Amino acid sequence: EAQVTQNPRYLITVTGKKLTVTCSQNMNHEYMSWYRQDPGLGLRQIYYSMNVEVTDKGDVPEGYKVSRKEKRNFPLILESPSPNQTSLYFCASRTVSGDTQYFGPGTRLTVL
Amino acid sequence: AQSVTQLDSQVPVFEEAPVELRCNYSSSVSVYLFWYVQYPNQGLQLLLKYLSGSTLVKGINGFEAEFNKSQTSFHLRKPSVHISDTAEYFCAVLSGNTGKLIFGQGTTLQVKP
Repeated sequence: EAQVTQNPRYLITVTGKKLTVTCSQNMNHEYMSWYRQDPGLGLRQIYYSMNVEVTDKGDVPEGYKVSRKEKRNFPLILESPSPNQTSLYFCASRTVSGDTQYFGPGTRLTVL
Repeated sequence: AQSVTQLDSQVPVFEEAPVELRCNYSSSVSVYLFWYVQYPNQGLQLLLKYLSGSTLVKGINGFEAEFNKSQTSFHLRKPSVHISDTAEYFCAVLSGNTGKLIFGQGTTLQVKP
């Protein structure tokens, strides 16, 4: 089944404790991205990647890092999480020439 | 810069009534427009999209949307809603430069029995 998977689905952590949210897709998509969803703000892009080893900032990149060492994986790294990063995070992918993004199930992160 | 505005944050409606969720966009170039639905505790699912051609677009679950270039709108409609349509709905435009989706703020559709 074609899908985007994220792990973990739920995470509660404390300020300053490094964490990684994994994202993997099995559709051989070149383009991958991370969004965060906050009430009243919709979804905003954090980072995106056009292909392996090619990443760039989205609209709200502060406090986040990403890497794209393999085509299928696009982890989101929070080196020192803060409470304002409490949010619902979505990973998405599509072909580089495609128009439709496929979303993962989401990761609900709480930073205390 | 492209932007999307969803004009209603919440839309309560009774079961079997028609519904319209409003979306306006701003863009100086050709647009690709999307509606996504998010059911409780789930990810986003594509309802429908407009890329070109016919301005009336039909999607899944009986939804349709009409692209109106002069009014820069892409409103979502369903003639008769069900309880199971209760969800959050997002309108989005595809940014050609970066390939990102620019989302509206979301509209919560609450279908009451």
